[in-house]
Amino acid sequence: AQSVTQLGSHVSVSEGALVLLRCNYSSSVPPYLFWYVQYPNQGLQLLLKYTSAATLVKGINGFEAEFKKSETSFHLTKPSAHMSDAAEYFCAVIYTGTASKLTFGTGTRLQVTL
Amino acid sequence: DTAVSQTPKYLVTQMGNDKSIKCEQNLGHDTMYWYKQDSKKFLKIMFSYNNKELIINETVPNRFSPKSPDKAHLNLHINSLELGDSAVYFCASSQMGGRHNEQFFGPGTRLTVL
Repeated sequence: AQSVTQLGSHVSVSEGALVLLRCNYSSSVPPYLFWYVQYPNQGLQLLLKYTSAATLVKGINGFEAEFKKSETSFHLTKPSAHMSDAAEYFCAVIYTGTASKLTFGTGTRLQVTL
Repeated sequence: DTAVSQTPKYLVTQMGNDKSIKCEQNLGHDTMYWYKQDSKKFLKIMFSYNNKELIINETVPNRFSPKSPDKAHLNLHINSLELGDSAVYFCASSQMGGRHNEQFFGPGTRLTVL
């Protein structure tokens, strides 16, 4: 079955440290790839998306993600974490032929400490 | 200007009741979706409508019935509510085939069944 795997349900980093959130998809055909962020008691906000125009995608709030076909990965990074980055992050994919159905990973809660 | 709006934001009700959640989008999109987020934050698609036609119908109890009166609205009616229906329900919209199928989410409706 087509799925999305996010390694690490909880990641804790110090303020100013590198943020790395992992996402792997399960398809030989690259799907559409997205990262969404959810702040407490709020909806989902799109951080960035892979459009096949470039393997390194820049998003909002200083986040970026790199698409690696050989590793079927789309990991999210930010060079320097800020307290305001604390939230739940979801990787999501739309696989070919699924009528735009978003399949979400299980989410990674990012905690940022002083 | 709210792009995707949902009402109500909170809904508390007793087991066995029937309730509806409404969703409206002013983005001019032709496709709308309902997602369910459970207590563990897991997000899963329930339904999708394209131009008022049902195109995605995941394994959802038939107590859940979506209705799309026009392209800008997608409502969710739930009969005979059960404790397990407690969750946050998100509405989303997109333009099929456009902008790499980017979906815009509403703020969510938190349903609590007592």
